[in-house]
Amino acid sequence: DAKTTQPTSMDCAEGRAANLPCNHSTISGNEYVYWYRQIHSQGPQYIIHGLKNNETNEMASLIITEDRKSSTLILPHATLRDTAVYYCIVRVNRGSTLGRLYFGRGTQLTVWP
Amino acid sequence: GAGVSQSPRYKVAKRGQDVALRCDPISGHVSLFWYQQALGQGPEFLTYFQNEAQLDKSGLPSDRFFAERPEGSVSTLKIQRTQQEDSAVYLCASSWNQGGNQPQHFGDGTRLSIL
Repeated sequence: DAKTTQPTSMDCAEGRAANLPCNHSTISGNEYVYWYRQIHSQGPQYIIHGLKNNETNEMASLIITEDRKSSTLILPHATLRDTAVYYCIVRVNRGSTLGRLYFGRGTQLTVWP
Repeated sequence: GAGVSQSPRYKVAKRGQDVALRCDPISGHVSLFWYQQALGQGPEFLTYFQNEAQLDKSGLPSDRFFAERPEGSVSTLKIQRTQQEDSAVYLCASSWNQGGNQPQHFGDGTRLSIL
């Protein structure tokens, strides 16, 4: 079961930063926050993940609050190709459901010219 | 390098037929996952392999669904006596292992349509 809450949709002007929020108030201490995105007719694409610290890679930055109850994915300079459904996932790290990803419905990000 | 490859990309079958969907994971990846994605929904977990061992098949919707990975590499998802509700995109993902710090990398899926 999804343990995250995301807005259904957001939009952003091309060239501006896109900030996608996610609430995960029931996250446990050893569970990771993962972000994926899915462009129409393609499989989900891994973006970034983190545990406690903020993370940055060539695609995006992940900001996790100190209490770990929420996070924000930042696309610093959105392009039209960033239009996709973005999924925030809390990844169970132990027990019988180890490894599963629970996707939920995600946020439809639309980048407009 | 090569990513996860799935075939066929599209499959149309008549209700009652059996289908087989193939997944070639990233070379060296120990863990392999299958997900089902209905139209307008996020992917949902079906089953998981660690090498050739199927460690979790609790997400398979019925006993008509069967998955195997006999040599710990390529995997096949088989659906027997297909029904219309089986129409969906079937996604395969692989990772180095099942640990929480290891991202899963997905193929583009097989779109299955049951007439």
